[in-house]
Amino acid sequence: DTAVSQTPKYLVTQMGNDKSIKCEQNLGHDTMYWYKQDSKKFLKIMFSYNNKELIINETVPNRFSPKSPDKAHLNLHINSLELGDSAVYFCASSQEDGGWKPREQYFGPGTRLTVT
Amino acid sequence: AQSVTQPDIHITVSEGASLELRCNYSYGATPYLFWYVQSPGQGLQLLLKYFSGDTLVQGIKGFEAEFKRSQSSFNLRKPSVHWSDAAEYFCAVGGRNQGGKLIFGQGTELSVKP
Repeated sequence: DTAVSQTPKYLVTQMGNDKSIKCEQNLGHDTMYWYKQDSKKFLKIMFSYNNKELIINETVPNRFSPKSPDKAHLNLHINSLELGDSAVYFCASSQEDGGWKPREQYFGPGTRLTVT
Repeated sequence: AQSVTQPDIHITVSEGASLELRCNYSYGATPYLFWYVQSPGQGLQLLLKYFSGDTLVQGIKGFEAEFKRSQSSFNLRKPSVHWSDAAEYFCAVGGRNQGGKLIFGQGTELSVKP
C-alpha cells in the first residue's frame, strides 16, 4: 500500500481555471503538509495541518486553499490558475508530538501541474 | 534569517568513488537537521537525521553525515558511490515548536559515471 498518495500525478490546465489536488495518507499521522517545488527544484512549504487544524500558512496567494476533511486527507484547491503556478506539488505527512521536535516527513510522489 | 545552503548544484562522481555533499545552515535556535533524497519522478525519502548526541549519524543506503556546530554544517558522505545513488539530495533544518516546518536547501544533483 502506498503510504502517501496524490492524485492526479499530472495536471495540465489553462490559465484562469480552478483545479484540485488530493492527498491521502494511510500512516495514521496527525500532521500533513503541502510543498511547492519550482523548476529549479527549490522546495518550499505552503501549508500544514494538524488534526484538521491549520498550523502553518506561509506567504501563499489566497487563490490556494487547503482543505482537510479528516486527518488522513489534505486537499489543495487552486483558483484562477496562473502561469507561475506551474510546479510540482508534494504532499507529506508526519507524526508530530505537540511541536517539540520535527519528525520525519513522508512524501507523496508529487503532482506536476502545468498551466498553459 | 533561517536558511540552508547547499553550495554545489551539481556533482559528478565515478562509481566506487567517495562522495561528500555540503550543507550549511543558519538557524537561530537548536537545529534539527535532515538529509532527504529524491529520485527522478519520485517524492523525497529520508536518508538520516540529527537531533542531538553523537555528531556522526548513520543513515540508510550506507550514507552518513557529520554535524559540526562550529561550522554550521551538516555534510553528507558515502565511502563508495553506486550508480543507483544518482538523484537529487536535499538538506533541511527544523526547530522546536515549529509545527514540523522544515526549511530546505536548493538541492544537489548527483550524477554517477560508470
